[in-house]
Amino acid sequence: SAVISQKPSRDICQRGTSLTIQCQVDSQVTMMFWYRQQPGQSLTLIATANQGSEATYESGFVIDKFPISRPNLTFSTLTVSNMSPEDSSIYLCSVVVLDTNYGYTFGSGTRLTVV
Amino acid sequence: AQKVTQAQTEISVVEKEDVTLDCVYETRDTTYYLFWYKQPPSGELVFLIRRNSFDEQNEISGRYSWNFQKSTSSFNFTITASQVVDSAVYFCALGGGGADGLTFGKGTHLIIQP
Repeated sequence: SAVISQKPSRDICQRGTSLTIQCQVDSQVTMMFWYRQQPGQSLTLIATANQGSEATYESGFVIDKFPISRPNLTFSTLTVSNMSPEDSSIYLCSVVVLDTNYGYTFGSGTRLTVV
Repeated sequence: AQKVTQAQTEISVVEKEDVTLDCVYETRDTTYYLFWYKQPPSGELVFLIRRNSFDEQNEISGRYSWNFQKSTSSFNFTITASQVVDSAVYFCALGGGGADGLTFGKGTHLIIQP
C-alpha cells in the first residue's frame, strides 16, 4: 500500500492567516482526497485533488477557502485560507490504490488550531 | 446520495466482554465498498477491513469479525474478548469504487474498562 507523508503534523495559527498543508505519497496514485475532521466529529470529504486540473469540491466547500494544488501524481497541497477558529480541525490527505488490495490510505493528519 | 449510519455514539464494556458495533448504509450504486477504520486517541486512521458489495462472506481476523448483510444494508463489526487497547473511535465508511472519496459514519466511541 502507499505511504503518505503529511506536513505539518500540527500548527497553531492566528485568525485571518492561511496555512498550506502538504501531502507526499511514495508512489504514483490516481486519486487523492482531502478530508476535514472537526473536534469530536466524523470525517467529511472536502475535495478530490485532480492532477492537471481544478479540484472537485464537495457541497459546502469552495475553492476560495480551500484552494488545492495537484502538480503531479505524488503530491498535493491544501490551503486553509483566511482562517477563523471554526477552521480548527484535523485535515487528512487520503489516496486510493486501485489494485487487488484496493483500499484507501490516510495520512497521519494535520491538527490545526486557530486562535 | 450515500449515507452511513452508526447509531451507537458510545459503548462502554468491561474487558473480555464481546461487543458489536453496528453500521447501516444507503447507496444506489450496485457496486460499492464498505470499510471499517479505527482511530485511537493518537488520531491516526487505521484500516481494519474492506468488503465489496458482491462478496457477502463474513470474515474473521483474530478477535475481530465482520457480518455483511446486503438484505439489511448492514456491515456490523464484532470484537470478541475485548481488551483495553481496543478503546478507540471506530468508523464505518462507504465508497463507490475508487473514483470517489469515502462517506463516513459518525463513529462509535468504544471504551473498554479494565
